[in-house]
Order: sequence, then structure tokens, then C-alpha cells
Amino acid sequence: NAGVTQTPKFRVLKTGQSMTLLCAQDMNHEYMYWYRQDPGMGLRLIHYSVGEGTTAKGEVPDGYNVSRLKKQNFLLGLESAAPSQTSVYFCASSRRQVTRRPEAFFGQGTRLTVV
Amino acid sequence: DQQVKQNSPSLSVQEGRISILNCDYTNSMFDYFLWYKKYPAEGPTFLISISSIKDKNEDGRFTVFLNKSAKHLSLHIVPSQPGDSAVYFCAASGFGANNLFFGTGTRLTVIP
Repeated sequence: NAGVTQTPKFRVLKTGQSMTLLCAQDMNHEYMYWYRQDPGMGLRLIHYSVGEGTTAKGEVPDGYNVSRLKKQNFLLGLESAAPSQTSVYFCASSRRQVTRRPEAFFGQGTRLTVV
Repeated sequence: DQQVKQNSPSLSVQEGRISILNCDYTNSMFDYFLWYKKYPAEGPTFLISISSIKDKNEDGRFTVFLNKSAKHLSLHIVPSQPGDSAVYFCAASGFGANNLFFGTGTRLTVIP
């Protein structure tokens, strides 16, 4: 029972490089989310998706792009990484709006360092 | 601007005693509040929630209290156990919103 799986778990990037973080869920959830966690800031929503083929901006979307081509996958892309994007990234999924019912399941996180 | 605040970065409690974690919010439109628990190298896991129509919700050893007039909520853990040692995040949302606003977390250490 995998739940929400994030790939990779750790990554070091040079400034200007690009990468894609993959999130996969096996619970047939409609909603998927990408958060970042920074010291002293809590978790902040980057982008989210309410279904296959849909995406929407969250609280801190600049510098990121996302795609939801398949219901089970939600990809987070960094086109040109910056040191300010050094963070721990969490993916989450839920059966419905996470704000109304607390069935949000989080992945284990991806620690990204941009040097 | 932090809309959900957890002003205590850490808390230490003896095993068997009560742990009280506090959270304040500034947005009067928030109507749903949650607590998440996070162990190192793991993602947050849902613990307990409360709607603004209530002032208390209980689940086993965990009770959340909401004081809307003070824009304050608290999580009580009784009795505290060493396995409760983790970072606790408070989160809040408004009706129809897709976003959860998280606090900065409080690291709870339960001393055996």
C-alpha cells in the first residue's frame, strides 16, 4: 500500500538547471497538491490540481510549472532553478477538497538544494 | 504575512503529563482547522480537525479547542507518550478554498 510516492527523495541542482519532481498516488484521488516547506514559514501551496488535465496556482507558484496528464501523477517542474527554491517539497492527494475533508495524504518529501 | 502562527517552536513535556500546543490565526474567514503531525523524514499526517461551528473536538487522547473570538486554537494531548514526539502543524482554511494555510510548527518532545 504505497499511498503517495515522491521521486526523487534528495537532489542537488546547480543554479539554472531544470528538473522535474514526480508524485504518484495509488488511491484514485481526484485532488493533488504540491507544497514547499521552508524554515520559519510552514508549508505553502505551490500548485494544485482538482482532476486529470487541470492545474491551478497556489500561494507561491512563481518559478514552477505543473502537469497532471494522468490522474495518478502530478509533476512539478523547475525550468531554471534558483537558490531561493532550496526547500523540502511535499506532494499530497485527497478524495475531495482537502480544505473540507481531512483525507489529505502526504508523500515523504523531496529535499532539494540549489547551489 | 503569516496568517496562521505557532509562536512556540518547541515544547518539552514529561511522559504522562498534558501537552498543550497553541495556534493563532488572523483571517476571520477561516472556518476549518486541522492539526497535522510530522515525524522526521516523513510527510505530515492528519491528526484531528474542528469546524468553526464547534468549540471542541475530541479523538482519544487528542482534543482540539477553538476560541473564535480570540482567533485561537489549541491541541491537548493527554496523557503524553514518547511516541507523540514530533512536529505538530496547525492549518486553517476558508469555505470553498482549495488552500490550507499552515503554521510554522511546534516540535514536541515527550520525555520518558
